[in-house]
Amino acid sequence: EDQVTQSPEALRLQEGESSSLNCSYTVSGLRGLFWYRQDPGKGPEFLFTLYSAGEEKEKERLKATLTKKESFLHITAPKPEDSATYLCAVQAGYQKVTFGTGTKLQVIP
Amino acid sequence: DARVTQTPRHKVTEMGQEVTMRCQPILGHNTVFWYRQTMMQGLELLAYFRNRAPLDDSGMPKDRFSAEMPDATLATLKIQPSEPRDSAVYFCASASTTQGGFSPLHFGNGTRLTVT
Repeated sequence: EDQVTQSPEALRLQEGESSSLNCSYTVSGLRGLFWYRQDPGKGPEFLFTLYSAGEEKEKERLKATLTKKESFLHITAPKPEDSATYLCAVQAGYQKVTFGTGTKLQVIP
Repeated sequence: DARVTQTPRHKVTEMGQEVTMRCQPILGHNTVFWYRQTMMQGLELLAYFRNRAPLDDSGMPKDRFSAEMPDATLATLKIQPSEPRDSAVYFCASASTTQGGFSPLHFGNGTRLTVT
């Protein structure tokens, strides 16, 4: 059974304080690893897809990386508007997409 | 921007009542997912469809939940009878099938269900 574990559960950062979120996964035949952002009262919003170990994707202050066992979401010099819950998900072939429970990020001005 | 539309946004009902949630997937997407989100469990997959055919509904309590796609523009999730433990936010998501998998899932803003 596919498993996704995210850590930490919650993270509080000062504005400008860089950090990383972790997503560890166990899946048979990874087809893609997704990162999503979720704001309160809204559905998850797609950020990145990573397909193979060594791949990296960037968007503004966010950078996602992938190894054979985990993915990291690096946040450089975060701003208060980066506060949200960040979700990681894995997909194997045509099978279901399995989500982790997320990391709730709070960036304090 | 194309969006997944879910109705209603909020639903409060009494235990034992029937609840129907609706989802309009993004035009052209052939795969539809239903997820339930709670604080304790996070996002749990209930069911998903490809080209309107159910592929996996193992996440649903079969005795009370049912999911259908009457046509390509409408997916429904029904709970009958509803119970307090069904209180959660229910999300619909849609995607296109690509070679070897899916395009990223696009989510609606959910239906917040409260069963008293």
